[in-house]
Amino acid sequence: EPEVTQTPSHQVTQMGQEVILRCVPISNHLYFYWYRQILGQKVEFLVSFYNNEISEKSEIFDDQFSVERPDGSNFTLKIRSTKLEDSAMYFCASSDELNNSPLHFGNGTRLTVT
Amino acid sequence: AQSVTQPDIHITVSEGASLELRCNYSYGATPYLFWYVQSPGQGLQLLLKYFSGDTLVQGIKGFEAEFKRSQSSFNLRKPSVHWSDAAEYFCAVALSTDSWGKFQFGAGTQVVVTP
Repeated sequence: EPEVTQTPSHQVTQMGQEVILRCVPISNHLYFYWYRQILGQKVEFLVSFYNNEISEKSEIFDDQFSVERPDGSNFTLKIRSTKLEDSAMYFCASSDELNNSPLHFGNGTRLTVT
Repeated sequence: AQSVTQPDIHITVSEGASLELRCNYSYGATPYLFWYVQSPGQGLQLLLKYFSGDTLVQGIKGFEAEFKRSQSSFNLRKPSVHWSDAAEYFCAVALSTDSWGKFQFGAGTQVVVTP
């Protein structure tokens, strides 16, 4: 079964540094998402992306965050200047249709900001 | 405000026993409902979904869930758990088709299976 893959599985970075989290969505999917889960808290929506544009973003997704689909297979989340509170598990997801289509999630990248 | 509640943070169940995980939502209309499971070190795997129609839905791994509009609930059940069912389970809601993909997740229920 096709999978969403995320790399790296664990990223440690120093506060103030830029970090890029990478995702390869399922190949025929067109809609892409990032979620995050701070330890002990709920899984939270960050952003949705379609046709090379952000479709929707949450209030968490401020100017420090950006997403990009640099080529036909990758989907990245960049955090420009990491803060301690950015430490979380970040999940990438994709779906093949806009509505009525479940999200397929990757295994996540655990980001630790020190 | 819309919300998803999983009242049980942690459940311990014996192998072979039945399991029921609760999920309640607060929303004006009927949402689109999902259950996901997260095994240690793994991503979120879809167990089942409810969009409309039959209120009892079957999923993978022997799980089923029942949508009850009157109770705003979507509880997950399994008649006989296996040790491999030990994981964290998340109920999720898609509030509308206008914001598809913007799912709201519950806090999760950790399931421990004892021999």
